[in-house]
Amino acid sequence: DAGITQSPRYKITETGRQVTLMCHQTWSHSYMFWYRQDLGHGLRLIYYSAAADITDKGEVPDGYVVSRSKTENFPLTLESATRSQTSVYFCASSVGGSNQPQHFGDGTRLSIL
Amino acid sequence: GNSVTQMEGPVTLSEEAFLTINCTYTATGYPSLFWYVQYPGEGLQLLLKATKADDKGSNKGFEATYRKETTSFHLEKGSVQVSDSAVYFCALSDQGSSNTGKLIFGQGTTLQVKP
Repeated sequence: DAGITQSPRYKITETGRQVTLMCHQTWSHSYMFWYRQDLGHGLRLIYYSAAADITDKGEVPDGYVVSRSKTENFPLTLESATRSQTSVYFCASSVGGSNQPQHFGDGTRLSIL
Repeated sequence: GNSVTQMEGPVTLSEEAFLTINCTYTATGYPSLFWYVQYPGEGLQLLLKATKADDKGSNKGFEATYRKETTSFHLEKGSVQVSDSAVYFCALSDQGSSNTGKLIFGQGTTLQVKP
């Protein structure tokens, strides 16, 4: 089925470890986004991508790395996880343009011990 | 910078009650405005949108009107159901030169509807 899928759904890791969250979409949308959701903050943009090999920082990019070698995939890597990065992470995609909605995955709940 | 402010929750209502969730924004230019809904354990789904002043977005009995004079986009529903229990997010999309569609979200309002 067409859509946007994130994996894993749940992840527990330890501080200092590297962890990669995966995001895959089947719509061939140009734009993809990573958000983190924390109580009291709503969703905050980490990174986004306008096309393959084009990425840019959002509001809270520190400690994260992204890549986009293929249009359909947009992985998010925490190079050395910290407890402050415990959160729920959402990937989204859109065709682009300020009046177009974004389509969200079901999220990854990441706990860093 | 641009920002969105929502009323704090949780909001608890009885079934068939009237719902209002307030949302105000600060933005330069003319942003598009959105309401998203998040059911437990799921991602966000678009509920409705409005792209210019005085537009009314509507879906599933929910509606919101883009009020430029009061910089508001309040969500309303005449008669809520238990199945409407969820977290509701107001968001704006900046119409900057890059036109990326980046969203700025409010903090979310939890709605609980009791039978």
